[in-house]
Amino acid sequence: DGGITQSPKYLFRKEGQNVTLSCEQNLNHDAMYWYRQDPGQGLRLIYYSQIVNDFQKGDIAEGYSVSREKKESFPLTVTSAQKNPTAFYLCASSPGVRGIGPSYEQYFGPGTRLTVT
Amino acid sequence: QKEVEQNSGPLSVPEGAIASLNCTYSDRVSQSFFWYRQYSGKSPELIMSIYSNGDKEDGRFTAQLNKASQYVSLLIRDSQPSDSATYLCAVNIDGGATNKLIFGTGTLLAVQP
Repeated sequence: DGGITQSPKYLFRKEGQNVTLSCEQNLNHDAMYWYRQDPGQGLRLIYYSQIVNDFQKGDIAEGYSVSREKKESFPLTVTSAQKNPTAFYLCASSPGVRGIGPSYEQYFGPGTRLTVT
Repeated sequence: QKEVEQNSGPLSVPEGAIASLNCTYSDRVSQSFFWYRQYSGKSPELIMSIYSNGDKEDGRFTAQLNKASQYVSLLIRDSQPSDSATYLCAVNIDGGATNKLIFGTGTLLAVQP
């Protein structure tokens, strides 16, 4: 089955610890994204990558880091510098580097709920 | 700041009625528009895409786009309780220079049996 997987589904960490969230896709998509969603709020873009070995900061990149060494993988590290890391983290991918229409269709993984205490 | 705005709701409709969800956007060069459905505790699911002015129908769903008015809507006919969810509007920005989408905060739809 083609799709996007995220692991783990739930993650608990102590304050001050770094944690890495996994995101894998087998859709052969070029672009991948990380979003954060807080209760009652919309999706906020953390980082995105349009092609392997390249990524750009989104709107709320402080306290986060990413890598894109393989087309199918885009892991997100939540560092101890992130002030309020508890949130629902969503990974997405889309087909094209640039284009029109379907190139921009983003498909989401099931998400990871991170709780930091 | 490029924005996508939606009424947060809740929008309450009786079962079998038409639910109408609305979205406005600020970036005049936007070309691609999407509707996502998000059930409570789950991730968003793409349900409709629209790229040209006018209507696009898919089953019980119709997306409507008016670029001149910077307005996109989603109609759900014969609403079912299973349609109860938050509906997110998303718009491509930057005239296609990137693949980024801007998401609205969503409209909560409640279909009453």
